[in-house]
Amino acid sequence: EAGVTQSPTHLIKTRGQQATLRCSPISGHTSVYWYQQALGLGLQFLLWYDEGEERNRGNFPPRFSGRQFPNYSSELNVNALELEDSALYLCASSWDALAGLYFGAGTRLSVL
Amino acid sequence: SQQGEEDPQALSIQEGENATMNCSYKTSINNLQWYRQNSGRGLVHLILIRSNEREKHSGRLRVTLDTSKKSSSLLITASRAADTASYFCATVGRGSNDYKLSFGAGTTVTVRA
Repeated sequence: EAGVTQSPTHLIKTRGQQATLRCSPISGHTSVYWYQQALGLGLQFLLWYDEGEERNRGNFPPRFSGRQFPNYSSELNVNALELEDSALYLCASSWDALAGLYFGAGTRLSVL
Repeated sequence: SQQGEEDPQALSIQEGENATMNCSYKTSINNLQWYRQNSGRGLVHLILIRSNEREKHSGRLRVTLDTSKKSSSLLITASRAADTASYFCATVGRGSNDYKLSFGAGTTVTVRA
C-alpha cells in the first residue's frame, strides 16, 4: 500500500513568486493536513481538509491557501513568496485524527 | 503557539542506554501522540496514549501520561544508533471538532556507538 506522497521533493523559487505543493493521501484517508517546519523548529499547523472542505486553519496569512480534490488529494499554494517561507512543508493524511497521522516525506521549499 | 513543549531540547547517550524525554502541554487533551523524525524527513507515528490512560508500552518504548500535571514522558530503552532522530509530542484537544494535532519543538536524540 502506498504511503502519503508529496511532490515535488524540492522547490526553488524567488521572492514574489508563487509555489504549488501537492499531496496524495493514503488510499481510504479522507483528511489531509499541511504543516510547515522551518529549519530547527517544530511543526506549525497550516491547514486541515476533510471531505473536500477546509475544516481548520492555522495562524498563517491568506497568501497560504489550498484545496482538496474529489479524490482527496490536496494542493497547497503559497502566493507572493517571502524569504521566511523557506521551510519543509509536510503533508499528512488520516482516516481519524484521533488515531494519528501518516506523514509524507515533505517538500523542501527554498525562497531566494 | 505550540501546545506541547519537549524537554530536553537535545540528548546524547551511549548505545544501550535509556533515553527519557518529557512533554508538557497547556490545555485539556483527548490524547497525546509521540512521533519520530529522521533527518528532516516525514514524521513517523510511534505511540498514542489516551487521556484516561496512565502508561503504555510498545516494544522498547514506554509512554506515561499525567493529566494532573499536563505532562508526558517517552522512554526508549536499550537505545540503538537507529534511534538517532528528533522526537515530537503532539496533542489533540478535547471537547471540540478541532482535530488538528499541535506539535512541540521536539527533542533531538543522538545515540553514540
